[in-house]
Order: sequence, then C-alpha cells, then structure tokens
Amino acid sequence: GAVVSQHPSWVICKSGTSVKIECRSLDFQATTMFWYRQFPKQSLMLMATSNEGSKATYEQGVEKDKFLINHASLTLSTLTVTSAHPEDSSFYICSARYRTPWSPLHFGNGTRLTVT
Amino acid sequence: KNEVEQSPQNLTAQEGEFITINCSYSVGISALHWLQQHPGGGIVSLFMLSSGKKKHGRLIATINIQEKHSSLHITASHPRDSAVYICAVYPPISNFGNEKLTFGTGTRLTIIP
Repeated sequence: GAVVSQHPSWVICKSGTSVKIECRSLDFQATTMFWYRQFPKQSLMLMATSNEGSKATYEQGVEKDKFLINHASLTLSTLTVTSAHPEDSSFYICSARYRTPWSPLHFGNGTRLTVT
Repeated sequence: KNEVEQSPQNLTAQEGEFITINCSYSVGISALHWLQQHPGGGIVSLFMLSSGKKKHGRLIATINIQEKHSSLHITASHPRDSAVYICAVYPPISNFGNEKLTFGTGTRLTIIP
C-alpha cells in the first residue's frame, strides 16, 4: 500500500530555535498533504492543508508565520516550527492523498517535538 | 456536542473476545474512515467506506448511512490489536474544495493476554 514517510520521528530543541519536519510520499504523487497536531489523549487537530505548488490553507487559530508549510513537489511537504516555545511541544503528523478529494488518506508516523 | 462521537472511550477486553467500537455522526458525509493509531503514534487507515460493509482479516467495518452510524468489529482479538481507534468522516461531495476530515475522539482499546 501507499507509504508516507515522516522525518524526524522525534526531536528535542531549545526555545527560540526552528525545527523542520518532512513528510514524503514514497510511492505516489501527493497532490494534497495535511498537517495535524495532537495533544496527549486527544484527537487530531488539523493545522493546515497543503496543495502542491500553492500556498497552504491554515485553519483558524493557527499562526501562519509560526508554522511554515511548504509543498514544493508532489512528494514532499515540510512543516517548519519557527522560534519554537515549550507550548509548541506536541505530536505532529502528516497525511497525504492523491489528486481526488475523498480518496484514501495515508498517514506518516508522526513527529514528537519537545521544546526545552 | 461533537459532530462525530465514538463509544466507548475506553475498552479493555480479554484476548479472544469479539470487540465492537461504535461511531455516530450528526452531519452529512460522503465517506467514513476507520483509523488505528498505535502506541508510538503512527496512524494506519483501516477502512474507508461509504456504504455497506468491508472486511479485512479479523476486522469488519459497517456503516448505516440512514442511521448515521458505523461500527468497527474485531474478531478473535489479540494484544497486538491494542491501540486507539478513530473514526473520521468526509463532508458531502457537494463541499468540494473543503474536503477536510472531522475526527472522533477515539476509542482506546486494550486487549489483555
């Protein structure tokens, strides 16, 4: 089946630094990728929708300048947490689908970010 | 009230038991996903269905569009089935361009050997 690779699986960084998380579709062209955040024992919260070659659409309340999303190719989207703070510590996960809406979603394994 | 409700929130069962997890939704949908989130956090899509029933191995998913209800069944449960199971719904096809999933809060399943 389709594989989505997310890297790194975990990262620890200091307050004020930036962290980049990569999401790659390994065997299909991901025209749309989604970025989610998940707090402990809670469900996934959609942060933004990323379409290849265009600007990401952010959900209400998500700071565009803090969570930079780039989807420059059909196989790669990146999420950069800029000037990270301890409250940004969370589990971030991406998903990807090919072209048509309502086509099956494939998820990455997530990235656990800890900001000290 | 959440648009997608799951029950139970937590479920502990003995190995071998038949498991049922329920999902009810209050909005129109075009399709429903059942997802499995492992303890490490990775998510696997188990089923995507818009009508009837699907089966894969020991897993069975059913959906009743009229009743706005779906169930996930696990037969002969095993400790490796321990995970969080999440149902998520797609909006109607008429919402083209806004096809975001709405997630349930998940059901934490623990299977005891």
